[in-house]
Amino acid sequence: NAGVMQNPRHLVRRRGQEARLRCSPMKGHSHVYWYRQLPEEGLKFMVYLQKENIIDESGMPKERFSAEFPKEGPSILRIQQVVRGDSAAYFCASSPQGAGYNSPLHFGNGTRLTVT
Amino acid sequence: DQQVKQNSPSLSVQEGRISILNCDYTNSMFDYFLWYKKYPAEGPTFLISISSIKDKNEDGRFTVFLNKSAKHLSLHIVPSQPGDSAVYFCAASERGSSNTGKLIFGQGTTLQVKP
Repeated sequence: NAGVMQNPRHLVRRRGQEARLRCSPMKGHSHVYWYRQLPEEGLKFMVYLQKENIIDESGMPKERFSAEFPKEGPSILRIQQVVRGDSAAYFCASSPQGAGYNSPLHFGNGTRLTVT
Repeated sequence: DQQVKQNSPSLSVQEGRISILNCDYTNSMFDYFLWYKKYPAEGPTFLISISSIKDKNEDGRFTVFLNKSAKHLSLHIVPSQPGDSAVYFCAASERGSSNTGKLIFGQGTTLQVKP
């Protein structure tokens, strides 16, 4: 049962370091989404990517955050110069086509980032 | 600006009884609503959805009701089982973005079903 795979599950970084979060979508899925959950809050949309393209990054902070989904390999969410406020659970989701009525998102188990 | 609100942080019900989880929204452009269930240390799992052209959708023990005039939806679980204990998130997508996966989530309601 190859669901959405995220690694690492837990990541600890000191302030100022870089964090790289990886996501392999479900087999056959070419649409990837990143969401962030801050403590005691719901999930917040960050970015939507298809292979080699960023479709919607309206939820991404303007600085320090970037995402890619290369032709080969997993999708990467990269956070440069992390700060304590970046501590959160980051979830990746995928769908075989643009998510919609008959194509709900399938989420991975998340990466819990802790910035010390 | 919380466009999707789940005003009850927690709910406790007895096994076998009905669980009713509520969700309110403010954006009249939302046309697709979903419920996700989340266990600790896991990702959200899709449960059930409803389009704005319907007012009810049923799947086994789970039924979602949509009241567009009140901008309110609810999830009914009957009968409730201890395995239903989890955090439930309501989510919505906006007309035009319903095929982009850009969901707006509520804060979640923690359901505890007591044996």
